[in-house]
Amino acid sequence: KNEVEQSPQNLTAQEGEFITINCSYSVGISALHWLQQHPGGGIVSLFMLSSGKKKHGRLIATINIQEKHSSLHITASHPRDSAVYICAVRSEGGGADGLTFGKGTHLIIQP
Amino acid sequence: SAVISQKPSRDICQRGTSLTIQCQVDSQVTMMFWYRQQPGQSLTLIATANQGSEATYESGFVIDKFPISRPNLTFSTLTVSNMSPEDSSIYLCSVGGGSTDTQYFGPGTRLTVL
Repeated sequence: KNEVEQSPQNLTAQEGEFITINCSYSVGISALHWLQQHPGGGIVSLFMLSSGKKKHGRLIATINIQEKHSSLHITASHPRDSAVYICAVRSEGGGADGLTFGKGTHLIIQP
Repeated sequence: SAVISQKPSRDICQRGTSLTIQCQVDSQVTMMFWYRQQPGQSLTLIATANQGSEATYESGFVIDKFPISRPNLTFSTLTVSNMSPEDSSIYLCSVGGGSTDTQYFGPGTRLTVL
C-alpha cells in the first residue's frame, strides 16, 4: 500500500509570498493528483500528473518519478488561496483502484 | 468534466439507525468511488462501485456496514448501517479512474451521529 506524506502540515504566509507544498510517496504510481479542499468540504482537482510539470495560472505542479516526489507551488499567493491542499496517488497497475491520500496541508494566506 | 451531486448534504442521526447517501453524476462513468473523511483527517477509500458487479471494499470496511448499490452508470448509493458516533464523517463520492482521468468529487454528505 502506498504511503503518502505531505509537508508542511500547516503553513501561514503573507499575501504575495511564494508557496511550496511537498508530497512524497513510497510505491510507484500511475498518476498523482493535487486537490484543493475549501472549508465546507468541497474538493476541486487542481492537477493530475504522471510526469514533468504542469502550470495553471499561478499554480505550478512538478513531479519527479525517480525520487517519488511532487511539489505544488503557488506564486503571488492571495488570501483566496487559503484552503487545504491534498496530494493523492493512484498506484501503478491501479487503474481500477481509488486514490491514496496524504493528510493535507492547511494553508492560510494573510492579507 | 463531470458534475456530481449528493443527497443529503448533511444529516444528524441517532445511534443504531441507518442513512442512505445518494450520488448522481451528469454523465455515464464506469467507476465510482466512495470515500470517508473523519474529522481532522484526510480521505480514506471505502469501496469502489462498478455497475453490474459487487462493490470492492477496502480493508477495514465491510458490506454489512456499508452496503452499496450501483444500478446504472450515473447513480450510486452508500448506506451507513447501524450507526455509531464513530461514523460521524463527511462521505464523498468520486468518479474518474485510470492513469489519464481527472478525479471529480461530489460536494460531500456531512453526517453527525448522536
